[in-house]
Order: sequence, then structure tokens, then C-alpha cells
Amino acid sequence: DIVMTQSPDSLAVSLGERATINCKSSQSLLYSSNNKNYLAWYQQKPGQPPKLLISWASTRESGVPDRFSGSGSGRDFTLTISSLQAEDVAVYYCQQYFSSSPYTFGQGTKLEIK
Amino acid sequence: EVHLVESGGALVQPGGSLRLSCVASGFTFSNSGMHWVRQGPGKGLLWVSGINGDGSSTKYADSVKGRFTMSRDNAENTLYLQMNSLRVDDTAVYYCTRVHTNTWYDGFDIWGQGTIVTVSS
Repeated sequence: DIVMTQSPDSLAVSLGERATINCKSSQSLLYSSNNKNYLAWYQQKPGQPPKLLISWASTRESGVPDRFSGSGSGRDFTLTISSLQAEDVAVYYCQQYFSSSPYTFGQGTKLEIK
Repeated sequence: EVHLVESGGALVQPGGSLRLSCVASGFTFSNSGMHWVRQGPGKGLLWVSGINGDGSSTKYADSVKGRFTMSRDNAENTLYLQMNSLRVDDTAVYYCTRVHTNTWYDGFDIWGQGTIVTVSS
């Protein structure tokens, strides 16, 4: 199985400041034939289901604010929130879909306001 | 509007069985790969199983293989998860979710609100 490891486990950032969450996979998620990274980022607020923010490592879903961005390739990926808003408090998960059996998620990063 | 609505969660004893359902609306269900993802109390997300659009192919996590069976009825826009030989560690919120494209390889873009399964004596 592909192991996904996020860092840090929790993060406190001041409103308006940048938040950065890292995700590392145990093997490359870059498929050479199409040069795509098979990685997604999700946001989960308390009592709600996860919400897809970014797929293919850097493609923002429709309706997701542009303060959210994804970057990285191969085994190392980053989710950046450029200017933290109060509504961004949530747990964030990365997920690989390079291997569909099984799909695997990171352990989650809890983002709070400092 | 796109919706997924799960049902069927309950309190069940270890060794028991349960069938979860997920009704889809607002999109072409038969063209969509679907999955179940669970989240134990205070825990992270764990993929459970997936099925392609026409139901001809299914995949399972090792922890549920041989005990859970995923199926779908495209005429009724409904997804199912038959859960047998339930264990205490199957206790979780079970989410029904759609793959963004009708392949095995994309993010999960639509999620239901989840249904709670509790396995306890």
C-alpha cells in the first residue's frame, strides 16, 4: 500500500497569514505517460463530510477560493492557504489515487486560528 | 442539485450484518464510479470499497474483503454496501462518495452526509 504522511499533525496560524501543509507519499504519484500527479486534497469541517479542494495535485475544484493552492510532484506535495480566513478552520487530508487498491489518505492536519 | 443520501446505519452486535444504502440524485448515476469511505470516532478517512459505473468491477480494502459486498442498482440510482461478520473496529461513519470522472483514477468530488454504524455488544 502507498503510505501518505502529512506534516504537521496540527497547525495554528494567525488570520491573514499563510498556512502550509505538507504531504509525502511512500512512492511516486507521478504517472510518466501523462505527466500527472495522482493526488487530491480535502477539507473537512466538524460534523461535515470531506470536501474536495484540489485534484491532480494542483487543479482547484470549481468554487474553491483561489487562496487555496496545491503544488508538488513525485512524492512531495504541499497545500497552501495564502491568507487564512476564519472559515478555513478544518482538518485537511491528502489522498493518493495512483493506486486504486487501496486508495489511501494521509492522517490529517488540524488547522486552527492562532 | 447533486445529492448523495446514505441510510441503514445502526447499532449491531459483533458478528452481525447490516446493509447500507446511498441514493443519488442530480447526476447520471450509471456513468459514475462510486465508493464507500469510513471514518472511525475521532479518526481519519479510510477507503472501504469502490465500484465502476456499470457495476462490473469492484475493489475492497483488505480489512473488509470477504466480509463486505458493494453493489449498485442503476435503475434506482442506489448504491449498496452489504456488511457481514461485523467487528467492533468497523464502527464508523460511512460515507458514500462519487469519483470525479468515471474512472478509478480521480478525486472524490461528491460526498453524502454519512450514516453511523456502531458495532458493540
